[in-house]
Amino acid sequence: AQSVSQHNHHVILSEAASLELGCNYSYGGTVNLFWYVQYPGQHLQLLLKYFSGDPLVKGIKGFEAEFIKSKFSFNLRKPSVQWSDTAEYFCAVPFSGGYQKVTFGTGTKLQVIP
Amino acid sequence: ETGVTQSPTHLIKTRGQQVTLRCSSQSGHNTVSWYQQALGQGPQFIFQYYREEENGRGNFPPRFSGLQFPNYSSELNVNALELDDSALYLCASSWDGGYGYTFGSGTRLTVV
Repeated sequence: AQSVSQHNHHVILSEAASLELGCNYSYGGTVNLFWYVQYPGQHLQLLLKYFSGDPLVKGIKGFEAEFIKSKFSFNLRKPSVQWSDTAEYFCAVPFSGGYQKVTFGTGTKLQVIP
Repeated sequence: ETGVTQSPTHLIKTRGQQVTLRCSSQSGHNTVSWYQQALGQGPQFIFQYYREEENGRGNFPPRFSGLQFPNYSSELNVNALELDDSALYLCASSWDGGYGYTFGSGTRLTVV
């Protein structure tokens, strides 16, 4: 079964610092991957997704992620964070077997200090 | 275009009681999925409803059940509540079970 792991549970950065959040997946077949964000008090939103093609995926709000098959990784990056990026970030992998579900990682809480 | 709305937003129940959570799917979406997000964890898939039938289920006991109505809205029912059921319950709607999920803001259930 697919799974994703996020090793950083809580990250604190100053504004303008660069961000990289780790995500590793375990699945031997075709890999599709997502990053979701949950801002305080708001619903989960899709940041970006990888299904195939260019391994460097660009998402909303200046985020990007790189799919590295050899490392089983799909790390999320942003060159310069803002206070408004304070949120919880989830790496996720979809499963399709007669129905669709998404398996989420445990999440990384990002706190950006002004 | 309306999003996914869930009610109530917060709920406190006593162990052993039963609870019903409600979800109105986004306009045009015919599939509803329910997730449980415990504190400090990522959302866990409970089940999915498509065309009023359950068509997929995660690792949750039968006391977690659901319904989907002809207008594609949905209910999640939990019987014999346990303390560990305390969590944020998320509803997500999509079209034909696709991954274009729209999530609601969730119902925070506290079992005491």
